[in-house]
Amino acid sequence: NAGVTQTPKFRVLKTGQSMTLLCAQDMNHEYMYWYRQDPGMGLRLIHYSVGEGTTAKGEVPDGYNVSRLKKQNFLLGLESAAPSQTSVYFCASRQYQGSGANVLTFGAGSRLTVL
Amino acid sequence: GENVEQHPSTLSVQEGDSAVIKCTYSDSASNYFPWYKQELGKRPQLIIDIRSNVGEKKDQRIAVTLNKTAKHFSLHITETQPEDSAVYFCAASRETGGFKTIFGAGTRLFVKA
Repeated sequence: NAGVTQTPKFRVLKTGQSMTLLCAQDMNHEYMYWYRQDPGMGLRLIHYSVGEGTTAKGEVPDGYNVSRLKKQNFLLGLESAAPSQTSVYFCASRQYQGSGANVLTFGAGSRLTVL
Repeated sequence: GENVEQHPSTLSVQEGDSAVIKCTYSDSASNYFPWYKQELGKRPQLIIDIRSNVGEKKDQRIAVTLNKTAKHFSLHITETQPEDSAVYFCAASRETGGFKTIFGAGTRLFVKA
């Protein structure tokens, strides 16, 4: 039982390049989230999904796209990377209901640098 | 939109002293308030949470208090130890009918031995 797995862990991009971050969870959780973490700004919600085939915007969605084609996977895409997107990205998931339904389980993070 | 403010941004205490971190939230429908601890280079992990039907909750050296009227909640750590040094995040969400967890900006706690 791996929990929440993010790939890649590190990536360096040039401005204008595209890339996709993959989040996979094996806990059968309904809800999945992408956050970015910047110094002094905490964890800001980029996009989230409440089930397979659904996505919704969070606090800072501009410049990112997401997809949830399979329940266990939540992909975060950057179509044209900008230096302002240099950050540590965390994926999280939680179950829909039951004991501990509100507890977020986080992945280990993906550090992205855009030059 | 929903907002969670957290203070202070940095807190330094002597080992054995208490530490208090305070948060306020804007969404009056929020009814679930977790606290996450993030050690350097690690992922955030839940340490304690409180629901809006409870005013206080304690777990060993950690306690949380909630004032729904003022939309304030706080984390109290007593008898701090060097291993308590980390970044602490408060957050707010709705338990039912809501999907988003909104975080505060974090408090970096240093416990000096």
